[in-house]
Amino acid sequence: RKEVEQDPGPFNVPEGATVAFNCTYSNSASQSFFWYRQDCRKEPKLLMSVYSSGNEDGRFTAQLNRASQYISLLIRDSKLSDSATYLCVVRSLKDNAGNNRKLIWGLGTSLAVNP
Amino acid sequence: DAGVIQSPRHEVTEMGQEVTLRCKPISGHNSLFWYRQTMMRGLELLIYFNNNVPIDDSGMPEDRFSAKMPNASFSTLKIQPSEPRDSAVYFCASSGGTARNEKLFFGSGTQLSVL
Repeated sequence: RKEVEQDPGPFNVPEGATVAFNCTYSNSASQSFFWYRQDCRKEPKLLMSVYSSGNEDGRFTAQLNRASQYISLLIRDSKLSDSATYLCVVRSLKDNAGNNRKLIWGLGTSLAVNP
Repeated sequence: DAGVIQSPRHEVTEMGQEVTLRCKPISGHNSLFWYRQTMMRGLELLIYFNNNVPIDDSGMPEDRFSAKMPNASFSTLKIQPSEPRDSAVYFCASSGGTARNEKLFFGSGTQLSVL
């Protein structure tokens, strides 16, 4: 089983639709969670961190379910510009040197918003 | 700030040749990461540096790969000799935030094709 799993999609939705992605992780001791966005042929960019209580940033809502070991991203009123690949990222435990830096990346979920 | 700067943007080379990828992190960031991205494997961490010191190189595929960070503003990733299976997009990223809220800033990547 992969450490971080995502449905690759593609998700094809019309403008204005609400779409949700889930991501599951295998390490129950994972500490931090993020969603990154990657446009075609571009670099990944942080979309939002995911906090235990859930958090919202405009049309985007992120949720964490530690018991079931998944995080979700909800996009409301989707725009054409939301078309991209959404990468789920989980931070594992500290490494042997005590550094808390190792990020585990999902393969991404592709979203296409159509006019 | 200009962001993370990588060069070259594209590199086409023949099997057996040496390839050197370059990265200039964001000024003031103390961590630098080299990633490789392919369709099949997604983003894979190759190596990361903290204050110019290599911390975790467990992701470096084999001895053909080497990375250096001689100072806080420059890093190289070298492949010698290159093989067709090394073809991928190589990203450099830097960060300088706290462990909890660490945000990675990626360069535009180097598209490497080994023929």
